[in-house]
Amino acid sequence: ILNVEQSPQSLHVQEGDSTNFTCSFPSSNFYALHWYRWETAKSPEALFVMTLNGDEKKKGRISATLNTKEGYSYLYIKGSQPEDSATYLCASPSSGSARQLTFGSGTQLTVLP
Amino acid sequence: GAGVSQTPSNKVTEKGKYVELRCDPISGHTALYWYRQSLGQGPEFLIYFQGTGAADDSGLPNDRFFAVRPEGSVSTLKIQRTERGDSAVYLCASSLMNGELFFGEGSRLTVL
Repeated sequence: ILNVEQSPQSLHVQEGDSTNFTCSFPSSNFYALHWYRWETAKSPEALFVMTLNGDEKKKGRISATLNTKEGYSYLYIKGSQPEDSATYLCASPSSGSARQLTFGSGTQLTVLP
Repeated sequence: GAGVSQTPSNKVTEKGKYVELRCDPISGHTALYWYRQSLGQGPEFLIYFQGTGAADDSGLPNDRFFAVRPEGSVSTLKIQRTERGDSAVYLCASSLMNGELFFGEGSRLTVL
């Protein structure tokens, strides 16, 4: 069973602060790492899919890095805004052909105005 | 709309009752997934359809849970003899073959 862990569980930051959180996963038999944002009363929205060690992806003020050798990914938010408040989930498939993702329990971010 | 549609958005039922949750995927998406998110946890895989057939149902917790997709589009997740532990948000997602998953807003099930 794949074990995907996220920390911290929850986080409160002030508007304008930059923040980051962590997703850890087994470094052996790595295939891909997905990041999702899930706002309350909305659908989970895909942010990034990362596959290569050292990969770095960016979408506006949000970026993510990937270290497959040590089994972690960081998600960074620069200059947090209240609309960034959401639960951020990471997920990984258990095999290259697996269609199901194993999700972490998420980091719940609240950005205070 | 163009996204994944799930109904009902909220369902409250009594222990022992039968429940059906419906998912209408994005048109043309061949793959359809059901996940369940319990309080404080991440989404947990239940079942995956490719076309009309269940390609992987290894995540269904027991035989009270069943899902169908008879025409390769709309899917129904069926839960018999509901228990309080079945209370969760049930998420549906669809994708093109090997593509990005697009999720619906989920159906929140509460079993009293």
